[in-house]
Amino acid sequence: EAGVAQSPRYKIIEKRQSVAFWCNPISGHATLYWYQQILGQGPKLLIQFQNNGVVDDSQLPKDRFSAERLKGVDSTLKIQPAKLEDSAVYLCASTLRGSELAGLKTQYFGPGTRLLVL
Amino acid sequence: GIQVEQSPPDLILQEGANSTLRCNFSDSVNNLQWFHQNPWGQLINLFYIPSGTKQNGRLSATTVATERYSLLYISSSQTTDSGVYFCAVELGGLSFGAGTTVTVRA
Repeated sequence: EAGVAQSPRYKIIEKRQSVAFWCNPISGHATLYWYQQILGQGPKLLIQFQNNGVVDDSQLPKDRFSAERLKGVDSTLKIQPAKLEDSAVYLCASTLRGSELAGLKTQYFGPGTRLLVL
Repeated sequence: GIQVEQSPPDLILQEGANSTLRCNFSDSVNNLQWFHQNPWGQLINLFYIPSGTKQNGRLSATTVATERYSLLYISSSQTTDSGVYFCAVELGGLSFGAGTTVTVRA
C-alpha cells in the first residue's frame, strides 16, 4: 500500500513570508497528525485530526499556524508569517482509528517537508 | 505533560556488537512505539509495544508498563542500523523522547 505522501520536500523562504505544506495520508486512515521536528530534537505534535475534525491543537501556535482537513483526507498546514525559529522538518503521520486492536494504532510517517526560513 | 527520557544520547558501536537502548516515561500510557529515523529523515516504525516483548529479526523490544520503561535491543549491529532511535508514547498524538543517535562503524 502507498505510504503517507507529503509535498513539497524542501522549501526555503524569507521571514515574514507565507508557506503551505500538503499531506495525503494512507488510504482509509481516519486520523492525521502534523508534527514539527527541530534539528536535534524529537518530533513535537502540532495538531491531530479525526476525519475532518480537530481533536487536539493545544500545541499549535495559532497566531501564525493554521491547518485544515476539509474532506477528511488530505490536509494542509500553513504558516503565516514565518519566523526564523520555524525552520524545521514538518512531518505528517496517519493511523487507522476506531479499533483497539494492537497494531492498528501504529502511526505511519511521511518523508517530511524541510523548511528553512532566512 | 508526560516526560519521555531516552538513554544513552549517543552510542558508537563496532559492526557486530550488541546494544541496549532505554526509554523511561513518567506516566501510564496506552501506546508506546519505537522508531528509527534514517539519515534521510524518514521515521520508520520498528515496534508498537505498549507492554510485553516483541522481536523482529535482529531487533527486539520489551516494555514493562508497570515500571514505566521500555528497552530496545540491537543484536549483531550493521552499518545500516545507524541513525536516531526514538521512543514515543501516546497521549492522543505521540510524545517523543530526544532520541539515541547510533553510529555503527565497519
